[in-house]
Amino acid sequence: DTAVSQTPKYLVTQMGNDKSIKCEQNLGHDTMYWYKQDSKKFLKIMFSYNNKELIINETVPNRFSPKSPDKAHLNLHINSLELGDSAVYFCASSQDMGAPNQPQHFGDGTRLSIL
Amino acid sequence: AQSVTQPDIHITVSEGASLELRCNYSYGATPYLFWYVQSPGQGLQLLLKYFSGDTLVQGIKGFEAEFKRSQSSFNLRKPSVHWSDAAEYFCAVGEGSQGNLIFGKGTKLSVKP
Repeated sequence: DTAVSQTPKYLVTQMGNDKSIKCEQNLGHDTMYWYKQDSKKFLKIMFSYNNKELIINETVPNRFSPKSPDKAHLNLHINSLELGDSAVYFCASSQDMGAPNQPQHFGDGTRLSIL
Repeated sequence: AQSVTQPDIHITVSEGASLELRCNYSYGATPYLFWYVQSPGQGLQLLLKYFSGDTLVQGIKGFEAEFKRSQSSFNLRKPSVHWSDAAEYFCAVGEGSQGNLIFGKGTKLSVKP
């Protein structure tokens, strides 16, 4: 059973398009995250949600809009895609944002390539 | 501000040799420290974590790490590396109030036969 699953695994699209990445966790966790990994493998937090409520919104263009329909899902919608959006996007979840000792469980990532 | 430094971008070791990957952190309070491994095309898998107690922690796949507060370090070690250990390794500190992870830039491990 996959604990944190993301779809699609690969996404190739043209500049200016709008796309969504979906994430689901079956761990019963309260907190979910989106991270961006750039071409140099650097990972940086983008957003976190706790029980469907936005907690962290780092300096991310407002073309990126997370949506959490329930605490098991955190989707990422990106408008007007730009070349610089090419990266691997990872979804993660943890039991409780107030317990930083709890590890985060990561999905396998979505590799987004902008043509 | 919290930060994590992994000084080595790329390390190559021979199979069967010992391994140490360095990690230094900057954090005001008691740090929650993690090591993750990322195999090519895969997500991140937790190797081990430290948040209190014994400063030498054991993880999966034969890895261990030692927390040294005086040196602000949390180095990862393995006594004998296997070819399957070739991957990218990330050290991270858990940010206390909001729970997100602050990652180092990673160390790529190559294993030669």
